[in-house]
Amino acid sequence: LAKTTQPISMDSYEGQEVNITCSHNNIATNDYITWYQQFPSQGPRFIIQGYKTKVTNEVASLFIPADRKSSTLSLPRVSLSDTAVYYCLVGDRKNRDDKIIFGKGTRLHILP
Amino acid sequence: EAQVTQNPRYLITVTGKKLTVTCSQNMNHEYMSWYRQDPGLGLRQIYYSMNVEVTDKGDVPEGYKVSRKEKRNFPLILESPSPNQTSLYFCASSRTALSGANVLTFGAGSRLTVL
Repeated sequence: LAKTTQPISMDSYEGQEVNITCSHNNIATNDYITWYQQFPSQGPRFIIQGYKTKVTNEVASLFIPADRKSSTLSLPRVSLSDTAVYYCLVGDRKNRDDKIIFGKGTRLHILP
Repeated sequence: EAQVTQNPRYLITVTGKKLTVTCSQNMNHEYMSWYRQDPGLGLRQIYYSMNVEVTDKGDVPEGYKVSRKEKRNFPLILESPSPNQTSLYFCASSRTALSGANVLTFGAGSRLTVL
């Protein structure tokens, strides 16, 4: 059973704001929501993490509604270099162990 | 510089020839993990370790072994590689094994081809 659900792919244009939504219906009380960015043949890179409401850093914003069953990564004014795969993760506690499960991510393609 | 270092970055080998991919981190992280990435399948966890001498299976452990004798090192061992283990491998670490607030730092990746 997948822990998170994201769109498989998205296209957008340079200068636009891009919003990628992730569904995580079974999020646990102690879980944070973490987003990573991955360029081809490179390791994923941490973008942003949050627990509730809104978090903003120099790269992105993360919006989390009160029920925490989904979250939205917002990338302002994207450029061609934002073309990458974006992964949404939540913790996956199972028998007190800590598997960290990546889904297939969202492939974002920015067009000129 | 804080980093996760994997070696080798590229390797071509033959079926059945034992190999080890090393992973080392210089951040004193407790948690370390191995992933493999294949086209269309995303990142899949092979093994993880919550601390020294503590390892556990991820989603795709078959054909792999790991060890965690020291905090900084977490080698991935393929005792008898097969072509279906041809993949891009990533090692990652994080400060704590606690769920939820983990932030993983990834290595640059090791591209393995088994003929």
